[in-house]
Amino acid sequence: KAGVTQTPRYLIKTRGQQVTLSCSPISGHRSVSWYQQTPGQGLQFLFEYFSETQRNKGNFPGRFSGRQFSNSRSEMNVSTLELGDSALYLCASSLEDRGWETQYFGPGTRLLVL
Amino acid sequence: GNSVTQMEGPVTLSEEAFLTINCTYTATGYPSLFWYVQYPGEGLQLLLKATKADDKGSNKGFEATYRKETTSFHLEKGSVQVSDSAVYFCALSDENGGSQGNLIFGKGTKLSVKP
Repeated sequence: KAGVTQTPRYLIKTRGQQVTLSCSPISGHRSVSWYQQTPGQGLQFLFEYFSETQRNKGNFPGRFSGRQFSNSRSEMNVSTLELGDSALYLCASSLEDRGWETQYFGPGTRLLVL
Repeated sequence: GNSVTQMEGPVTLSEEAFLTINCTYTATGYPSLFWYVQYPGEGLQLLLKATKADDKGSNKGFEATYRKETTSFHLEKGSVQVSDSAVYFCALSDENGGSQGNLIFGKGTKLSVKP
């Protein structure tokens, strides 16, 4: 069974631009969560989607948004990029809503904002 | 709110040395506790977990026991290998969801094992 895939793996953008990252969960998984990983703040939760509905949201500004499609694939969007948005963005999928015990992470998308 | 504190790194050990990475937590309710590992250039992998007090999680020679009385979940391994070099994250499940999300992570501890 294929794992969680994230595209693109690497991305370079400039301040003020917007970016869209994609996550394809493991087949059959309906929950997708997104995390931001930076050297300073560590791993921080962004949001969680389950069956196309946002179930939970972390403490991030409105520039960060996401959605989930009927096939459980998820996208996150960051508008008006800032230098501080440079990070590794990790996606995780699980079978169930808030299924921490069965959460599988993708390899991440590394975003560099110049 | 809920939080996880783990020892600062980096930790450098020789092969076959004993490993302990300390992790303590603050939480309301009864969270599940996890250790994740991140190898260079990769995403996180679940290493082990414990879902209730006194449970011991184990995998690949690593162990951690859920200690409610000391609010700790220290990671141990009796004999580390070079291939164990990675960043280790302690995490807890945020049962209440809320604004902190479904997993709360510690800052991570980088382990380097020298041959």
